[in-house]
Amino acid sequence: QKEVEQDPGPLSVPEGAIVSLNCTYSNSAFQYFMWYRQYSRKGPELLMYTYSSGNKEDGRFTAQVDKSSKYISLFIRDSQPSDSATYLCAMYNFNKFYFGSGTKLNVKP
Amino acid sequence: KAGVTQTPRYLIKTRGQQVTLSCSPISGHRSVSWYQQTPGQGLQFLFEYFSETQRNKGNFPGRFSGRQFSNSRSEMNVSTLELGDSALYLCASQTSGRDEQYFGPGTRLTVT
Repeated sequence: QKEVEQDPGPLSVPEGAIVSLNCTYSNSAFQYFMWYRQYSRKGPELLMYTYSSGNKEDGRFTAQVDKSSKYISLFIRDSQPSDSATYLCAMYNFNKFYFGSGTKLNVKP
Repeated sequence: KAGVTQTPRYLIKTRGQQVTLSCSPISGHRSVSWYQQTPGQGLQFLFEYFSETQRNKGNFPGRFSGRQFSNSRSEMNVSTLELGDSALYLCASQTSGRDEQYFGPGTRLTVT
């Protein structure tokens, strides 16, 4: 079983939709959770960084961590075609990062 | 502040050759990690260097090696290249331990 599981998609939504991206994990020791956005042929760009459980909002993006369920989510409100990218979740423990395989999102104009 | 830079951006090599990739972290960042990204396997951790010492290592063969210099710049070397080594190699830096990790644009290596 992988440490971090993420649905690869692709996920296709119309412009303006609310997008929900999710990851599950198996190691209850994870404390730090991140979301990265990666455009084609570019390096991942850090979007959100959260510690422990709870919600964090930044503009149209909201990151949610539910440690009891070992489940994290990224919500994108009012999605735009420019949000079309692959979204990677990541977790950190003992000086090591664990990445999901990424969900490819396509926002159609 | 300048971001993480990687050189070269693109590289084509032949099987059996060796290659060296370079990474300059964000100023003030002492930790540099290397990852291999392929469509099938996703992001796979190679190794991490902190203050010139390898702090963590992934499950890659000994053909993959790295080092870090006193200015925190890092190099990664792959010897005896195989076709399966074709990938995007990403470098990421962070200040120390439990901090956000910032990625460079990557070096796309093609082995023919």
